[in-house]
Amino acid sequence: GAVVSQHPSRVICKSGTSVKIECRSLDFQATTMFWYRQFPKQSLMLMATSNEGSKATYEQGVEKDKFLINHASLTLSTLTVTSAHPEDSSFYICSATLARPGNPTDTQYFGPGTRLTVL
Amino acid sequence: AQSVTQLGSHVSVSEGALVLLRCNYSSSVPPYLFWYVQYPNQGLQLLLKYTSAATLVKGINGFEAEFKKSETSFHLTKPSAHMSDAAEYFCAVSPQGAQKLVFGQGTRLTINP
Repeated sequence: GAVVSQHPSRVICKSGTSVKIECRSLDFQATTMFWYRQFPKQSLMLMATSNEGSKATYEQGVEKDKFLINHASLTLSTLTVTSAHPEDSSFYICSATLARPGNPTDTQYFGPGTRLTVL
Repeated sequence: AQSVTQLGSHVSVSEGALVLLRCNYSSSVPPYLFWYVQYPNQGLQLLLKYTSAATLVKGINGFEAEFKKSETSFHLTKPSAHMSDAAEYFCAVSPQGAQKLVFGQGTRLTINP
């Protein structure tokens, strides 16, 4: 099956610093990648949708200048949390899909997640 | 807007007993529906999905779910629980023709020996 990796799996940083999280599709080319955040004991909330070669589409309430998303290739998307603060501490999960126009049933394949702790 | 409600944030069953996790959706048109499982500190793994084909969908690990339009439900079942089934389960909905997933609140399944 399709495999999605994330790096790093855990990161601890000081308040005010920036953190970059990578999401890679290992054995397929992902036309679209999604970024979610999950607070403890809560569900996943979609942050943004990232299409290769174009700007990401952010969900309402998500600061695009704080959460920078780059989808430079069909196998790599990055999420950069800029000037991180303790309230940004969360579990960040990416997913990738092969979906093409006219083929909406393709599955989202999820990465293992990255736990960010901001001190 | 589409939404998903999972009844019961925590379900506990005995090993070998029936597992039933409830999911109801809200949508003006029949959506695509998914069940995902999440083990501790891991991402999500797809159990099964409904995409307007057969209403009874069989997934991995012995799970299945039935789409009932009249009840706007997509409950997840497994005839006999195994200790390894202990995890968090998420029901999700996606509008037809779109890829965005809206997740339910999740149900933590505990298996008692």
